Amino acid sequence: GQQLNQSPQSMFIQEGEDVSMNCTSSSIFNTWLWYKQDPGEGPVLLIALYKAGELTSNGRLTAQFGITRKDSFLNISASIPSDVGIYFCAARGGGSQGNLIFGKGTKLSVKP
Amino acid sequence: NAGVTQTPKFQVLKTGQSMTLQCAQDMNHEYMSWYRQDPGMGLRLIHYSVGAGITDQGEVPNGYNVSRSTTEDFPLRLLSAAPSQTSVYFCASSLTSPNEQFFGPGTRLTVL
Repeated sequence: GQQLNQSPQSMFIQEGEDVSMNCTSSSIFNTWLWYKQDPGEGPVLLIALYKAGELTSNGRLTAQFGITRKDSFLNISASIPSDVGIYFCAARGGGSQGNLIFGKGTKLSVKP
Repeated sequence: NAGVTQTPKFQVLKTGQSMTLQCAQDMNHEYMSWYRQDPGMGLRLIHYSVGAGITDQGEVPNGYNVSRSTTEDFPLRLLSAAPSQTSVYFCASSLTSPNEQFFGPGTRLTVL
């Protein structure tokens, strides 16, 4: 079946650092989404991408829909402590049968 | 708007017991869905509905039933709970398609 490979699995950030994570697949998708989940809560939508090559920002967050339609990237600039959490990519194929599938997440923690 | 609400927040069941997880939304969304989240995993789709009276299976439907008699409510029924159903369950909704879903706060279920 379709799978999303999200990397890295986890990373440590120091305040002020830029962060990058990505999601890849062997399948082609029409929609890419990025969600963030805080402990004990449901995921919250950060960015939605609908067109290959599209680059979209939401404050310090920037995401890109890969030109091959098989990948997507999320960058966080100048990280702050409240950026910690789990970031999930999600993707959807086309048509009415295209359900959303999720990657396994990238866990962002603060450097000790 | 309350958004997507789920009850209960926590539940402990014994193997073989049945129960219903409640989900409601007040945004007049047509699309509603149930996901389960297991440690280190992304979210996996259990069942979904594109409108009142219409439901369909997702990736992991076995052991679960759903119905959608109103636009607002989408309950998930566990017919005979098994330890493998220990998980965190999220309900989500969106206007018409799986894109840009709003998630509830989750129900943490333990089956002994």
